[in-house]
Amino acid sequence: DIQMTQSPSSLSASVGDRVTITCRASQSIYIYLNWYQQKPGKAPKILISAASTLQSGVPSRFSGSGSGTDFILTISSLQPEDFATYYCQQSYSTPSITFGQGTRLEIK
Amino acid sequence: QVQLVQSGAEVKKPGSSVKVSCKPSGGPFSSYTLSWVRQAPGQGLEWVGRAIPSVGMTHYAQKFQGRVTITADKSTSTAYMELSSLRSDDTAMYYCAREHTRTFDIWGQGTMVTVSS
Repeated sequence: DIQMTQSPSSLSASVGDRVTITCRASQSIYIYLNWYQQKPGKAPKILISAASTLQSGVPSRFSGSGSGTDFILTISSLQPEDFATYYCQQSYSTPSITFGQGTRLEIK
Repeated sequence: QVQLVQSGAEVKKPGSSVKVSCKPSGGPFSSYTLSWVRQAPGQGLEWVGRAIPSVGMTHYAQKFQGRVTITADKSTSTAYMELSSLRSDDTAMYYCAREHTRTFDIWGQGTMVTVSS
């Protein structure tokens, strides 16, 4: 299976900050990388697909970049509702799917 | 907007089995690919497997091979995940999710499965 490693595991930031979360794959996954946001007690929500395609309804302060093995999720100006846990997920190696271990974004 | 509605919470004994259901509220069920993803308390997301009703195929994560069975009943438009030989570390929230263009774009509300003696 392809291993997905996120960094950092947790992050403290303030409203208005620019934040980046990194996801690294154990082998090339081209652009088959998705990002999800999960708030406590809720199911995950898709933010970005194919490394950089913003899903409908997702604020433009979220952006994704990268290809191959290294990917970045950027939040340009943190809002109070953005404090959550973020997961990357590879969809290259079908049929198996793997997620990163998650990055918990907390209020400083 | 299609929703995925899952069955209610379960409490099971170690060694027993659990069967969780997932029913889309609308849309052409046969065209869906439905996956199951679990999340142990305070932990990350783990893909369990999927069903592709249109072609009658299933795929399972290697970790769960032999212990999980995912089915899709076209007559009732319901997908099921059955996990057997339950252990305490199977305690988790189990989500069904629709796969669309290689993303999980719609998620169920989750079903909490607690394994305890």
